[in-house]
Amino acid sequence: DGGITQSPKYLFRKEGQNVTLSCEQNLNHDAMYWYRQDPGQGLRLIYYSQIVNDFQKGDIAEGYSVSREKKESFPLTVTSAQKNPTAFYLCASRRQGAGGELFFGEGSRLTVL
Amino acid sequence: AQSVTQLGSHVSVSEGALVLLRCNYSSSVPPYLFWYVQYPNQGLQLLLKYTSAATLVKGINGFEAEFKKSETSFHLTKPSAHMSDAAEYFCAVSELGSNYQLIWGAGTKLIIKP
Repeated sequence: DGGITQSPKYLFRKEGQNVTLSCEQNLNHDAMYWYRQDPGQGLRLIYYSQIVNDFQKGDIAEGYSVSREKKESFPLTVTSAQKNPTAFYLCASRRQGAGGELFFGEGSRLTVL
Repeated sequence: AQSVTQLGSHVSVSEGALVLLRCNYSSSVPPYLFWYVQYPNQGLQLLLKYTSAATLVKGINGFEAEFKKSETSFHLTKPSAHMSDAAEYFCAVSELGSNYQLIWGAGTKLIIKP
């Protein structure tokens, strides 16, 4: 079945540590996205990529980094520079062009201890 | 800038009652509109989308939404609520000027009373 796989589902990190969240899709979509979700704040865009080897900052990119070396993969690194990293992180993908809907993974919940 | 407003962070209805979740957008050109549902600790799932075809759009799980250009609205309805409808619902809009990036509403949590 086609879809988006995020891992790990739950992750705990100590302050000062970097952590990488995995996102893999087999939908052959060109565009991939990372969102952060906090209670009562909806979805906020961290980074997005419309093509391999290229990505753009979203609204809240500070303290995060990404790479897009393969079409299928778009990992997100939460660095120690992110001041408040505890959140639910969602990866999504979609085909390019007008009207294309986003397909989401199941999310990764990061808790900083 | 484009914005999406969902009226009511929480909506409570009785089981079997009408569900109405409100969404208004600010676009000056006909946009693409989406409703998504999110169950606790899960990703978002597409309920339905409007892409300039019929103004009344039917989606999954008995939901539908009507695009009203004059009111810049895209409200989500379901005639009879079921306990399994309890979830958070998000409205989103995309348009050409933003390279079709989705702009999200803040979400509405639907509570179903037995």
